[in-house]
Amino acid sequence: SQQGEEDPQALSIQEGENATMNCSYKTSINNLQWYRQNSGRGLVHLILIRSNEREKHSGRLRVTLDTSKKSSSLLITASRAADTASYFCATDARGNTDKLIFGTGTRLQVFP
Amino acid sequence: ETGVTQSPTHLIKTRGQQVTLRCSSQSGHNTVSWYQQALGQGPQFIFQYYREEENGRGNFPPRFSGLQFPNYSSELNVNALELDDSALYLCASTSPWGSTDTQYFGPGTRLTVL
Repeated sequence: SQQGEEDPQALSIQEGENATMNCSYKTSINNLQWYRQNSGRGLVHLILIRSNEREKHSGRLRVTLDTSKKSSSLLITASRAADTASYFCATDARGNTDKLIFGTGTRLQVFP
Repeated sequence: ETGVTQSPTHLIKTRGQQVTLRCSSQSGHNTVSWYQQALGQGPQFIFQYYREEENGRGNFPPRFSGLQFPNYSSELNVNALELDDSALYLCASTSPWGSTDTQYFGPGTRLTVL
């Protein structure tokens, strides 16, 4: 079963705009990660945020985590056509940090 | 590039057949996990191997089995294939040093069951 739900399911924006994706999850976690997937291929790790962190930045990516609401958001600033992909949040199962539980994903389309 | 490779890239089988998928992890990555990703869905955890022993299993029947070898390669075997087994199968390895929470995924094997 899926742990998380991403919102929106699909997002279309123009190059240069910001893209925000949200993720909600159900159980307590040690950390939450965001992954990117191009055209049904392998997953690329983007960023990890631990349960005691509230915000983290990596290049054009900004991730927030609200453990009280069991939610996270991924912001991609100044988007590029190359950012077109599916984005998934993944949480660990408490006590087993190697088992990832993925959400349903957000399909992002960035138009040039 | 994650350093994790999978073979084959694509595979077509018929219902009832058996299939073996292969994964080669980075040297030193002694934990490998397998995931099944149906079309339009997020990956679902099948099982994990650590030092050649199964170390956790998701909600998959026993006809899904695995092996891990000392050379950091692993296999996923599926017996008695069903149409619903059609999916992208991903393996991921974890480094025993640095951040053990980051998994490195291979490009996947797309299995089609007819």
